[in-house]
Amino acid sequence: GAVVSQHPSRVICKSGTSVKIECRSLDFQATTMFWYRQFPKQSLMLMATSNEGSKATYEQGVEKDKFLINHASLTLSTLTVTSAHPEDSSFYICSVQPGLGNTGELFFGEGSRLTVL
Amino acid sequence: GQQVMQIPQYQHVQEGEDFTTYCNSSTTLSNIQWYKQRPGGHPVFLIQLVKSGEVKKQKRLTFQFGEAKKNSSLHITATQTTDVGTYFCAGVNSGGSNYKLTFGKGTLLTVNP
Repeated sequence: GAVVSQHPSRVICKSGTSVKIECRSLDFQATTMFWYRQFPKQSLMLMATSNEGSKATYEQGVEKDKFLINHASLTLSTLTVTSAHPEDSSFYICSVQPGLGNTGELFFGEGSRLTVL
Repeated sequence: GQQVMQIPQYQHVQEGEDFTTYCNSSTTLSNIQWYKQRPGGHPVFLIQLVKSGEVKKQKRLTFQFGEAKKNSSLHITATQTTDVGTYFCAGVNSGGSNYKLTFGKGTLLTVNP
């Protein structure tokens, strides 16, 4: 398996500020990481796929300038929610997929709960 | 695009009763995965099904993949309070060049002791 750590687990910020969430793959070199968003009692929606050393691939409807993703090393991907607003409040979870050719199970981080006041 | 529908959305049972959640895809799947998310936690992988008609068991959990590889189910026998959580199916579209999991909306299971 893979161990994925996310930080912070909870963050509360004022509207208009930016928040950075870190996702670390502790025992696996991840060329690709996945960022999901989950609203209360709802499903996981893939936001983007971060690629080590290159630009992230965003899903349709996800604003690139709003959700900045950086994957500078094989063990760290970051998601920055810029100029956060209350509607950005959500549970953000990252994951890795260690299987060959990006197949197989996802290993998720603990998630980061963002509350924007 | 691919849609994965899951029912029921909620299920409340008495401890000891059985529980089933169903997953249907609008397209043929390459494989399907099941995850469990405890309240306040993150999703944890349970199993992956790949073959048409496949059935796998994990103790009291039975997973099935339909013959047409468009539907799947998770059945829990004699539920326990530790089974509480949301169960998600996640499918991968067959023939796609991009390996992407599409999650169902999940079934929240609560168990009355």
